Amino acid sequence: EDKVVQSPLSLVVHEGDTVTLNCSYEVTNFRSLLWYKQEKKAPTFLFMLTSSGIEKKSGRLSSILDKKELSSILNITATQTGDSAIYLCAVEEYAGNNRKLIWGLGTSLAVNP
Amino acid sequence: DVKVTQSSRYLVKRTGEKVFLECVQDMDHENMFWYRQDPGLGLRLIYFSYDVKMKEKGDIPEGYSVSREKKERFSLILESASTNQTSMYLCALGSDTGELFFGEGSRLTVL
Repeated sequence: EDKVVQSPLSLVVHEGDTVTLNCSYEVTNFRSLLWYKQEKKAPTFLFMLTSSGIEKKSGRLSSILDKKELSSILNITATQTGDSAIYLCAVEEYAGNNRKLIWGLGTSLAVNP
Repeated sequence: DVKVTQSSRYLVKRTGEKVFLECVQDMDHENMFWYRQDPGLGLRLIYFSYDVKMKEKGDIPEGYSVSREKKERFSLILESASTNQTSMYLCALGSDTGELFFGEGSRLTVL
């Protein structure tokens, strides 16, 4: 069965720390891997990764995909309290003529001042 | 900026009531999705639509139906609400490149 597993489930850090969130997957027809940030409301898009080894970066956030290890990491450097959120990973796969998203359960990050 | 608007942020309904959750997009995209999100279960796909008047069941369609009469509007209908449908409902719009853009969510409580 296709699945996406995120670790850790939750994490508490202090401002200024660096964190690494993991996402591993088992899917049949991989197309892309997506990262989202969810604060109190709806998820907002962070990154889409399709190629192995190419880092995507946005400010203090970066992410990379390893297709050999079937995994991705999301790094956040110099964390701030505003980074507190649930980080969701989803893998898109081809399913016939459609594309299907398989979601992980998320990593809940709390950044304390 | 992509705008996905869900009509109701918070609703409280009684068991057996009919519930309509509306979602409107302003991007002329074809792909729209309804998810529910529950603690420990993550995001689960209820229904999706790739075009007007087209609908496909997702992973948990039981107890739900949808309507897509116009491209910009995708409605989720609970014919007879039950307490196990208390949840956060998220509408999403799919872009051509694969990202999803979410509405702000509708938190439904069924008493």
